Amino acid sequence: DTGVSQNPRHKITKRGQNVTFRCDPISEHNRLYWYRQTLGQGPEFLTYFQNEAQLEKSRLLSDRFSAERPKGSFSTLEIQRTEQGDSAMYLCASRSGTRGVDFGPGTRLLVL
Amino acid sequence: AQSVTQLDSHVSVSEGTPVLLRCNYSSSYSPSLFWYVQHPNKGLQLLLKYTSAATLVKGINGFEAEFKKSETSFHLTKPSAHMSDAAEYFCVVSEIEGNTPLVFGKGTRLSVIA
Repeated sequence: DTGVSQNPRHKITKRGQNVTFRCDPISEHNRLYWYRQTLGQGPEFLTYFQNEAQLEKSRLLSDRFSAERPKGSFSTLEIQRTEQGDSAMYLCASRSGTRGVDFGPGTRLLVL
Repeated sequence: AQSVTQLDSHVSVSEGTPVLLRCNYSSSYSPSLFWYVQHPNKGLQLLLKYTSAATLVKGINGFEAEFKKSETSFHLTKPSAHMSDAAEYFCVVSEIEGNTPLVFGKGTRLSVIA
């Protein structure tokens, strides 16, 4: 399978715990994006990388959120001290050239 | 700043009848525009993409969209709805493709009645 993959697919955690999600983009794609989607809404941009450089961060990305792409391949998104409002689907996407952006299946986070 | 407005949160059609999902955009540049579809519990799938070539864009599964600069619109159409078309549809803009992130509309839920 050469699509974008995300792990885990589902995560249930207690408020105050830290969580980390992983995204493996399509191998030749140099741009990687993180989005968040809440129920009944369209995906909202969080941050994106060109290779290992983080080029832009949304104001939605509070200081509890951090994303890395250390070798320009896979990326991680960490949420510290989770809150119930963090419950959402976290989507990763990647892109190269003139194709549209390819999305992964998402990680669904539930904070209790 | 770029934005999209999907004019209908829910559209219901009978199987075999035409589909029209409306989208208006706002952009300071000549944007790239996309339609994505999301089936329940499935990932986002690209339906079609406009990037300043032909104004009528054909996509997968019989969908097409027409870019109208004078109306700042990018409506999605299909001549004949199928039950499998029932899903959430997102209109998306990227102001400078490749250099700005995708900005999504709130989505239109399409229901298809047998």
